[in-house]
Amino acid sequence: QKEVEQNSGPLSVPEGAIASLNCTYSDRGSQSFFWYRQYSGKSPELIMFIYSNGDKEDGRFTAQLNKASQYVSLLIRDSQPSDSATYLCAAPGNTPLVFGKGTRLSVIA
Amino acid sequence: NAGVTQTPKFRILKIGQSMTLQCTQDMNHNYMYWYRQDPGMGLKLIYYSVGAGITDKGEVPNGYNVSRSTTEDFPLRLELAAPSQTSVYFCASSYMWGGRGYDHTEAFFGQGTRLTVV
Repeated sequence: QKEVEQNSGPLSVPEGAIASLNCTYSDRGSQSFFWYRQYSGKSPELIMFIYSNGDKEDGRFTAQLNKASQYVSLLIRDSQPSDSATYLCAAPGNTPLVFGKGTRLSVIA
Repeated sequence: NAGVTQTPKFRILKIGQSMTLQCTQDMNHNYMYWYRQDPGMGLKLIYYSVGAGITDKGEVPNGYNVSRSTTEDFPLRLELAAPSQTSVYFCASSYMWGGRGYDHTEAFFGQGTRLTVV
């Protein structure tokens, strides 16, 4: 069974700080990686995807991928209380989409 | 675009009853999934399908059954409901292609079904 590991948290950061969320995966065949945000009681929604080694930036969000280390991370700059949610990492590989258990982020005003 | 549509949104079942959760997608995705999410926990894969007529077990299949007769529909059947099946159920779909670089699109989720078994 392919695995995706995340620190479940909770991770608490003050408003305006950088939140760093991490994910490791076991399937070296995975080509693409997804970060989802899930607010309490809602469906997960995609916020970032990354295919290539290195960084990908989208507004306040930066995804970082290191395929050699099988490690993907999400940085949230200038964290806002509205960023408080659970963040799920997903790595498809060549199997069904596997999600990590999610990291709960709390941004404190 | 409807995306992934799940019905019903809420349901209360008595122990021992059966029901079917409906899921339909209109994006011509080959992969479809059923997940359950217990309070404060992550997504657990129940069953998935790679195309019409093909289904496979996920992490927690006991007590559930699925079928995939068309590309669009992937219903989840609960037989003999138990309190342990109280959860939020999400249906999702994605597209995977093979060849030299197999890969997935993102998964699109339905709105979820909140099921309580009493």
